[in-house]
Amino acid sequence: EAGVTQFPSHSVIEKGQTVTLRCDPISGHDNLYWYRRVMGKEIKFLLHFVKESKQDESGMPNNRFLAERTGGTYSTLKVQPAELEDSGVYFCASSQDRGGSGLETQYFGPGTRLLVL
Amino acid sequence: LAKTTQPISMDSYEGQEVNITCSHNNIATNDYITWYQQFPSQGPRFIIQGYKTKVTNEVASLFIPADRKSSTLSLPRVSLSDTAVYYCLVGMNYGGSQGNLIFGKGTKLSVKP
Repeated sequence: EAGVTQFPSHSVIEKGQTVTLRCDPISGHDNLYWYRRVMGKEIKFLLHFVKESKQDESGMPNNRFLAERTGGTYSTLKVQPAELEDSGVYFCASSQDRGGSGLETQYFGPGTRLLVL
Repeated sequence: LAKTTQPISMDSYEGQEVNITCSHNNIATNDYITWYQQFPSQGPRFIIQGYKTKVTNEVASLFIPADRKSSTLSLPRVSLSDTAVYYCLVGMNYGGSQGNLIFGKGTKLSVKP
């Protein structure tokens, strides 16, 4: 079974440009999460999809970030326009809803390393 | 979600047993304790999860005392490949609004030959 994949693995852009990150979750996983780690900080939650719906987007830093998950499969995270402080590693994770058993395991992708110059 | 406290770093030698303790004094009744492992340039990877007493799988053991205010991840006979950052997380993991994980700084384990 393929794991969570993310594309690209690295991206270097200039301030003001737009970047779109893609995440392909494990097939059949309804839950999809985006996290990020900025330099020297902890991994922080950004948002959570259940299928195509945004369940929780309380971690999105501002309106320059737009996440979509059309069709409930892969997801994209667009940063427009990118700022210097957006540099970091963006992780995607997916999980299978176990109906509230409290034992959900999240499977993480390798991350996309974004550098904004 | 409950805040966790764990050592910033630990050193060990190959073949030794490593125990990493995490404090979570404000753990709630419905909270589970989960440990993730992260290698450089990779995403975190689930290791083990428990609610109380002891849980063991092929990778590690998790010891949780009766008051659940702390937990200990035990890695038997570590190898160089166990060098990684280990995160202790506490909370409910449902598929709904409580699904996001809150990571702390983790414990950086360095295994030496």
